[in-house]
Amino acid sequence: EIVMTQSPATLSVSPGERATLSCRASQRINNNLAWYQQKPGQAPRLLIYGTSTRATGIPARFSGSESGTDFTLTISSLQSEDFAVYYCQQYNTWPLAFGGGTKVEIK
Amino acid sequence: QVQLQESGPGLVKPSETLSLTCTVSGGSISSYYWSWMRQPPGKGLEWIGFTSNSVSTTYNPSFKSRVTISVDTSKNQFSLKLSSVTAADTAVYYCAGTDLWLSFYYWGQGTLVTVSS
Repeated sequence: EIVMTQSPATLSVSPGERATLSCRASQRINNNLAWYQQKPGQAPRLLIYGTSTRATGIPARFSGSESGTDFTLTISSLQSEDFAVYYCQQYNTWPLAFGGGTKVEIK
Repeated sequence: QVQLQESGPGLVKPSETLSLTCTVSGGSISSYYWSWMRQPPGKGLEWIGFTSNSVSTTYNPSFKSRVTISVDTSKNQFSLKLSSVTAADTAVYYCAGTDLWLSFYYWGQGTLVTVSS
């Protein structure tokens, strides 16, 4: 079973600044990684799949990358609507697994 | 545009079976991959299980043999049954779907199920 570990748990960022969120897989997942954004009281929203492909309608300020078993979601210039919780999810191996989430809050 | 809507009881007694249905509109249920996820209050997301038109189903082993997911193509619905529930099963339950192979683009709004006597 693959374990996904996200860090930090909370990230305090000022609007307009860059945010870098990390996700580590306990074993190789062959770029089968997605990122989701979730706002209070809402369902998750798919941002990125295949490690670096933006889902339909997702702004270019969101980007994803990987280095081995370490994955990164970068938000280049935080907008007010980007303050939310972000989850990574691996879909390389059953069972599917989510990370514990990173909350991006206003500094 | 595919839309999903969960339905089912919001309150289930301990030891009973939780039953939820996800109704799909705007697309054929046969054309996508489907899953159920849940989120306990204030916590993260947990994957429960997957189905592809009932031809293929896979469940999270953490639920052991308590979970069943099925598809009714005539109604464009898929369902979740979780047996022998306890308070630990209290959560918002989401149905989700995709044509992107297990990265989920379509989500229902979620439904809170509370397990309590």
